[in-house]
Amino acid sequence: AQKVTQAQTEISVVEKEDVTLDCVYETRDTTYYLFWYKQPPSGELVFLIRRNSFDEQNEISGRYSWNFQKSTSSFNFTITASQVVDSAVYFCAAGSSNTGKLIFGQGTTLQVKP
Amino acid sequence: DSGVTQTPKHLITATGQRVTLRCSPRSGDLSVYWYQQSLDQGLQFLIQYYNGEERAKGNILERFSAQQFPDLHSELNLSSLELGDSALYFCASSVSLDRGQETQYFGPGTRLLVL
Repeated sequence: AQKVTQAQTEISVVEKEDVTLDCVYETRDTTYYLFWYKQPPSGELVFLIRRNSFDEQNEISGRYSWNFQKSTSSFNFTITASQVVDSAVYFCAAGSSNTGKLIFGQGTTLQVKP
Repeated sequence: DSGVTQTPKHLITATGQRVTLRCSPRSGDLSVYWYQQSLDQGLQFLIQYYNGEERAKGNILERFSAQQFPDLHSELNLSSLELGDSALYFCASSVSLDRGQETQYFGPGTRLLVL
């Protein structure tokens, strides 16, 4: 069974600070998929990124970057120069080829103060 | 906007009642997933349908059932409601299953409050 752990329950930063959200996963699958979703105060779940287990390239998208390391079973998410609009709950999730379901971490609440 | 629609947005009902939540997937998506988000359990997978057939079941109570219709929209039926069923219910959709784990796009959710 898969498991996703987001050890940071809440993080508070001041605008323009960089912040990293941690995600550690457990799986026995050889092929698996990792995701990050954002849940702003309005409540919807917004897809941010997907990473396949066979692709360890890190990715940067604007102020967002993701660091996937199989050696430590981690898929961390960094926001550079945070903004107030980044305030949200961020979820890391894992899926596999065998089943369509996603296993979510407990989420990290990020508060960016002006 | 993910392209997944859910109705109603909010639902208030009483214990013992039955409600139906509706979901329309993104155009072209064949898979529909239902998730429950509650304060104590977090985001939990309930059930998945693919092109009208049930494909996977998660922590779904026997009082809950779902179906996917020929036009691919899906309904989640919750019966004999209890206070603990109060939660945010999400529907998600993806293209198919044939290429491994597809990215799931979530609807805005239905917030259910059982009084």
